[in-house]
Amino acid sequence: EVQLVESGGGLVQPGRSMKLTCGASGFTFSNYHMAWVRQAPTKGLEWVASISNGGDNTYYRDSVKGRFTISRDNAKSTLYLEMDSLRPEDTATYYCARHIVDYGYNYFDYWGQGVMVTVSS
Amino acid sequence: DIVLTQSPATLSVTPGESVSLSCRASQGISTGIHWYQQKSNGSPRLLIKHASQSISGIPSRFSGSGSRTDFTLSISRVESEDLSVYYCQQSFSMPLTFGSGTKLEIK
Repeated sequence: EVQLVESGGGLVQPGRSMKLTCGASGFTFSNYHMAWVRQAPTKGLEWVASISNGGDNTYYRDSVKGRFTISRDNAKSTLYLEMDSLRPEDTATYYCARHIVDYGYNYFDYWGQGVMVTVSS
Repeated sequence: DIVLTQSPATLSVTPGESVSLSCRASQGISTGIHWYQQKSNGSPRLLIKHASQSISGIPSRFSGSGSRTDFTLSISRVESEDLSVYYCQQSFSMPLTFGSGTKLEIK
């Protein structure tokens, strides 16, 4: 059974940093792209970043480019999101998701339970 | 960025009815649309990929159709457990974007 378990969220002040972790099990982690998708309170879903299966290629939405870093450790089946210079608008539940690239189309077939990040003074 | 407009924002249905949820793209995206279901306080779940392809484990009452700019998620014989928000997502170009969702309410 595929499982994705996020950790590392909480309350952080604007301008500070936070690192999220996603532990994966139930599949061969190194064979799959992975992603972070977030959801602000009472809002819709927003793709944040993705990383290729080997970690060579990373992709970000413009609003987090230069502030967030997605990375992975295939030996530990773990995905990370390092978030710097956090802003109140980064407040959201962050989901780890398995990212499928299928005939050129990209979608997310498994999701974690999510972890809440609150950016506030 | 490709904008996805979902309508209606809220849909109230009686169990046993069939419904159609719309997702319109701001430009042609072939069949690069995928649908998700999110129950209250839950994580999203993939329902349909590539506009119309079914997903293992998803009830057959969920189906998708459409191409280019207009897409539909159909639910036949709605059940009370279908109470959720439904999102479409495009993968034609980066950044990957989602619609704002349609909330399905059960009468």
